[in-house]
Amino acid sequence: EPEVTQTPSHQVTQMGQEVILRCVPISNHLYFYWYRQILGQKVEFLVSFYNNEISEKSEIFDDQFSVERPDGSNFTLKIRSTKLEDSAMYFCASRPGTGHYEQYFGPGTRLTVT
Amino acid sequence: DQQVKQNSPSLSVQEGRISILNCDYTNSMFDYFLWYKKYPAEGPTFLISISSIKDKNEDGRFTVFLNKSAKHLSLHIVPSQPGDSAVYFCAASGSGGSNYKLTFGKGTLLTVNP
Repeated sequence: EPEVTQTPSHQVTQMGQEVILRCVPISNHLYFYWYRQILGQKVEFLVSFYNNEISEKSEIFDDQFSVERPDGSNFTLKIRSTKLEDSAMYFCASRPGTGHYEQYFGPGTRLTVT
Repeated sequence: DQQVKQNSPSLSVQEGRISILNCDYTNSMFDYFLWYKKYPAEGPTFLISISSIKDKNEDGRFTVFLNKSAKHLSLHIVPSQPGDSAVYFCAASGSGGSNYKLTFGKGTLLTVNP
């Protein structure tokens, strides 16, 4: 069964460093998302991506964040200058397209900023 | 921002009995509701969903009920099995946009005792 994959599973970085989190969505899906979950809190929406552009972003998704689909398979989230409060699980998700509302999530990347 | 609320942080049931997980929402623009299951160190796994035009959807042991007037939905698992032990998230989508970003509740930890 097709699944969303994410790498790395765990990333440790120092404050102020740039990180890139990688995702491979399910191949025939059209909509892509990033969510995050800070320890003990809800899963929160960050950004949605469709047709090679951001379709919606949350207040959390400020200028330090960017997303890219550099080729036909990868979907990346970049944080330019990490802060301690960026420490969280980051989940990538994909959705087939019109008429399908369910999103399929990857296993997540645990980001630890020290 | 508590648009989706799961007021029970945990629930414990005996194997073979019914598990009922509850969820309330406040945003009238939500028109699609989903339940996800999450094991530790994994991403959320889609379980079952319901459109706001329906009041019930069933898939095997899982049934979701929607009461629009009360802005309440519930997930019934019958019979419960030890493998069902996980965190269950209620999520809602719609909010008038087309991206169908998900708004999650905090989750309920279900423990099914053998």
